[in-house]
Amino acid sequence: ETGVTQSPTHLIKTRGQQVTLRCSSQSGHNTVSWYQQALGQGPQFIFQYYREEENGRGNFPPRFSGLQFPNYSSELNVNALELDDSALYLCASRTWDPPYEQYFGPGTRLTVT
Amino acid sequence: GQSLEQPSEVTAVEGAIVQINCTYQTSGFYGLSWYQQHDGGAPTFLSYNALDGLEETGRFSSFLSRSDSYGYLLLQELQMKDSASYFCAVLNTGFQKLVFGTGTRLLVSP
Repeated sequence: ETGVTQSPTHLIKTRGQQVTLRCSSQSGHNTVSWYQQALGQGPQFIFQYYREEENGRGNFPPRFSGLQFPNYSSELNVNALELDDSALYLCASRTWDPPYEQYFGPGTRLTVT
Repeated sequence: GQSLEQPSEVTAVEGAIVQINCTYQTSGFYGLSWYQQHDGGAPTFLSYNALDGLEETGRFSSFLSRSDSYGYLLLQELQMKDSASYFCAVLNTGFQKLVFGTGTRLLVSP
């Protein structure tokens, strides 16, 4: 069973640029969530996709957008990057049933300069 | 709104028992989860409580009191490898959004 994978592992971008992060969910999982984790903080919920539809969103501006594909893999897109977007971006997948265990990928470390 | 409070840091010695508390305020509560995260690593699932009471999984136990909006993670027979950050997280109703606390850094010394 393959776990959650994310690419790239590290990324450096300039303020104002756009970035796309990718996530492959664990086999059998139909729900993918994205989180932003700043240093020393807990993961902050960005949004969640269930069967290719966004069905929940946290307090993030519209320049954070995403997609989920028929194979349940997912993308996170961030436009007009700001310095504060520098963080670890985590993808997590799960099924829609209890115990709602999230399986996290290793994350993408994004640095905005 | 939603908020979760945990102690920022806890220290203990190998072999000891430590309890990490979590109080939460939220609307639409499904249950309380606990995750462990080592430095540079991804969070990994430890436990989930939907009902009041204690859930035991090996050296780790988790407790929930819904009426008190309170839970804790109990770690027994501490080992050096338990040094990590521990997050409580509330699972909300609706679209089952997981909201994390700010985390407790556990330092285990010899």
